[in-house]
Amino acid sequence: QVQLVQSGAEVKKPGASVKVSCKASGYTFASYGISWVRQAPGQGLEWMGWISANNGNTHYAQNFQDRVTLTTDTSTSTAYIDLRSLRSDDTAVYYCVRKPMAKVPDYWGQGTLVTVSS
Amino acid sequence: DIQMTQSPSSLSASVGDRVTITCRSSQVISNYLAWYQQKPGKVPQLLIYAASTLQSGVPSRFSGSGSGTDFTLTISSLQPEDVATYYCQKYDNAPLTFGGGTKVEI
Repeated sequence: QVQLVQSGAEVKKPGASVKVSCKASGYTFASYGISWVRQAPGQGLEWMGWISANNGNTHYAQNFQDRVTLTTDTSTSTAYIDLRSLRSDDTAVYYCVRKPMAKVPDYWGQGTLVTVSS
Repeated sequence: DIQMTQSPSSLSASVGDRVTITCRSSQVISNYLAWYQQKPGKVPQLLIYAASTLQSGVPSRFSGSGSGTDFTLTISSLQPEDVATYYCQKYDNAPLTFGGGTKVEI
């Protein structure tokens, strides 16, 4: 069965960087993309970006273009999100989501809480 | 970028009521519209895709309609387990914007 398993919770100081991983199983990793979505405490869902696991093409939300890098490692079927220059308002649960081309995002990871605090 | 506007932002209804949530896109997105349900502390779950196709395992009291710019999620008979926040999302192409969410209470 399709599974996306994310890395554990992180606590970071303002100005630091964080890298969250998302290990996929149960499907051909390179045949799909991965979207990243975050949710601040008590807030809605915010789409951050998408990467093709096939060729590494990316699309970033305008709000994150200068601070986020999405990568994949097809040898381990793992996607990564790297968020730099962390601020307190980056405190959120970060989700990876499988995204087929031209189809609906379907499977979600369990989420990773990133807390930014001095 | 295309904006997704959901209304209402919250609602309270009784068990058995018919509940309707609206999602409007600022440009035409054909039928590339999904609805998700998120219960408190849980991961969002896909309810409906292609505006009106029920995801496998989702109760038939949920339905979706619309195309172009105006979409609707309907719960035909609200149940206690439907207490959640509901989000629409466009998925035609990037950015895959979400609506602001609708919190449904009983």
